[in-house]
Amino acid sequence: EPEVTQTPSHQVTQMGQEVILRCVPISNHLYFYWYRQILGQKVEFLVSFYNNEISEKSEIFDDQFSVERPDGSNFTLKIRSTKLEDSAMYFCASSEAVSSYEQYFGPGTRLTVT
Amino acid sequence: KNEVEQSPQNLTAQEGEFITINCSYSVGISALHWLQQHPGGGIVSLFMLSSGKKKHGRLIATINIQEKHSSLHITASHPRDSAVYICAVNSGYALNFGKGTSLLVTP
Repeated sequence: EPEVTQTPSHQVTQMGQEVILRCVPISNHLYFYWYRQILGQKVEFLVSFYNNEISEKSEIFDDQFSVERPDGSNFTLKIRSTKLEDSAMYFCASSEAVSSYEQYFGPGTRLTVT
Repeated sequence: KNEVEQSPQNLTAQEGEFITINCSYSVGISALHWLQQHPGGGIVSLFMLSSGKKKHGRLIATINIQEKHSSLHITASHPRDSAVYICAVNSGYALNFGKGTSLLVTP
C-alpha cells in the first residue's frame, strides 16, 4: 500500500542552524501539508501546498519557514534559523484533493533543537 | 478559528467494553476526521466523514452536522486499541485538531 515517507526520523541540531525535513508524498496525490506537534500538545497546521505554491499557511509559518517541491517526488520543509521552541515532531501529509479527501500522514520527524 | 473539543481527555476501559469518544466543533465544516496516534507518534487516519455514519471493523464513527458533533465508538475493545484518538476538522486546506483522547484498555 502506498505510504508517505519522511526523513530523517530524528534530527538534532543546534540553535541557529538551518534544517531541512524531507517528505515523499504518495505519488498520485496533489496536495501536501506540514504539521507539527510539540511534546504534550495538539497537532498544529503549518502549511498546505498545491500546484507548486502555498495554498494556506498558519500564523506559526513565519519567515523562518519555507517549503519546496524540488522535484517530482520530494516535498521539503526548511527552517532557516532554528530556535529551541521549534523542537517538535513534524508530520508531512498528502491527499488526492483538498478537504473532501483523506489525508495520509508520514511517520514524522522528531526535531530536537539544543 | 474552529474550536475542536474532545471528551473525555483520558479514558481507561477494561477489555471488551464499549467505548465512546466525543468531538464537538464550533464552525461549520466540510469534513471531520478521526485519527489514531500510537505511542511511537505516527498518525493513522481512521475515518473521514461529512455526514451520517461509517463503520470499519469494530470502529464506528458518526457525525451530526446540525449539532456540530461527532462520536467515535469502539466495540469489544482490546488492549491493542490503546492509543490517542484525535478528532480534526477542515473547512479549507488546513486540518484543525482537537487535543486528543488518551485511551488505555486493560486486559
